[in-house]
Amino acid sequence: SQKIEQNSEALNIQEGKTATLTCNYTNYSPAYLQWYRQDPGRGPVFLLLIRENEKEKRKERLKVTFDTTLKQSLFHITASQPADSATYLCALGTGRRALTFGSGTRLQVQP
Amino acid sequence: NAGVTQTPKFQVLKTGQSMTLQCAQDMNHEYMSWYRQDPGMGLRLIHYSVGAGITDQGEVPNGYNVSRSTTEDFPLRLLSAAPSQTSVYFCASSYSGTVLSSGANVLTFGAGSRLTVL
Repeated sequence: SQKIEQNSEALNIQEGKTATLTCNYTNYSPAYLQWYRQDPGRGPVFLLLIRENEKEKRKERLKVTFDTTLKQSLFHITASQPADSATYLCALGTGRRALTFGSGTRLQVQP
Repeated sequence: NAGVTQTPKFQVLKTGQSMTLQCAQDMNHEYMSWYRQDPGMGLRLIHYSVGAGITDQGEVPNGYNVSRSTTEDFPLRLLSAAPSQTSVYFCASSYSGTVLSSGANVLTFGAGSRLTVL
C-alpha cells in the first residue's frame, strides 16, 4: 500500500539556521508533491508544489527538492525564524485525484 | 471572500447519535473533500466530490455519508457516532485550473471541526 513517511519527532533548531524536513514515500508514483504548513488549531495552508519532472522549486526562504529515484522530497527553510514554528505536511498527488498526506513534522525554531 | 467555512468548530456527541458537519466554500471550486486528522496518522481522506451531484469514497469512508447538491456545499453526515470517530475534521476544496499549475489538486482548507464522541 502507499506509504508516506515524515519524521514524527519534532525538529528543534536555532533562529537563523536552515531547517531541513524530509518526506519519503513508497509504493507510489506521484505526478507532483506539495508541502503545507499547519499551525495549532488551524487548517493546513499550501506552501509549494513541485512536479515529478522538476528537481527543485524555490519561494522566498523556502526550497523544495524532489528526487523520484530516491522517492524523497526535502523541504528547506533558510534563515529560520521563530514564526516558522509549525507542523509541515507533505502531500502526494496524481492529476486531479485526491491528495495523500504524511503525518507531518513539527518544527520548533528557538530564538 | 470567506474561503472554506466549517461549522460547528466543536461538538460533543454520545455514542449512537447522528449529526452533520457543514462545509461551504465561496470560491466556485469544483472539487471538495473531507479529511480527518488523528495524532500520528496524518490527514486521511473520508469522501470527496469532483462536482455537484458526484461523490466518491476515500480511504476511510465507513460511518460517514456525503452529498453534493450544490457547488458551494459539501456536508458530512455521521449516521451513528462511535468513539472511534473522535477526531478533527477538515473540509478542503480546490480549483485545478489555477495559475499555480493546471491539473494539480492544490487544496484550501477550512479551520476544522473538533468532534468528541463519548
